[in-house]
Amino acid sequence: DIVMTQSPDSLPVSLGERATINCRSSQSVLYSSNNKNYLAWYQKKPGQPPKLLIYWASTRESGVPDRFSGSGSGTDFTLTISSLQAEDVAVYYCQQYYITPQTFGQGTKVEIK
Amino acid sequence: EVRLVDSGGGLVQPGRSLRLSCAASGFPFDNYAMHWVRQAPGKGLEWVSGISWNSVRIGYADSVKGRFTVSRDNAKKSLYLQMNSLRGEDTAFYYCARSEIFADPASHIDYWGQGVLVTVSS
Repeated sequence: DIVMTQSPDSLPVSLGERATINCRSSQSVLYSSNNKNYLAWYQKKPGQPPKLLIYWASTRESGVPDRFSGSGSGTDFTLTISSLQAEDVAVYYCQQYYITPQTFGQGTKVEIK
Repeated sequence: EVRLVDSGGGLVQPGRSLRLSCAASGFPFDNYAMHWVRQAPGKGLEWVSGISWNSVRIGYADSVKGRFTVSRDNAKKSLYLQMNSLRGEDTAFYYCARSEIFADPASHIDYWGQGVLVTVSS
């Protein structure tokens, strides 16, 4: 199974500041046939289902604010929130959908400093 | 509007069975793969199972393989998860979710149901 490891586990950030979350996969999730990374980012708030933010590692889902961006390739990926807003307080998960079983990172809790 | 409505959760004793259902609407159900993802209290997300649009391809997490069975009825626009030999560690919110493809590689999950709580306890 592909193991997804996120860092840090917890991230206190001041309002308006940048938040950076890292995700590393135990093997590459880059598919050479189409040069796409099979990596998604989700936002999870208490009492709500997860919300898709980013797919193919860097494509923003429709309706997601442009302060959210994804980057990386192969085994190392980053989710960046350029200017943290109060409503961004949540747990963020990366997920690989390259190989079954699909696997999630352990989550990164973003909170206000 | 895409809607996924999970149902069937509840309190069940260890070793017993439970069947979850997910009713879909607002999209062509038989064009999409479906999944079950769970979150135990205070824990992270765990992918549980996936099924292709035509039920040809099915996959499970190691933690549930041999105990859980996923199925779908495209005529009823419904997804199911039969959970047998339940354990305390199966206690979680269970979410049904959809993606365009379930294969290796697959496609991203884009919509989720609201989730249903399963509690395994004596």
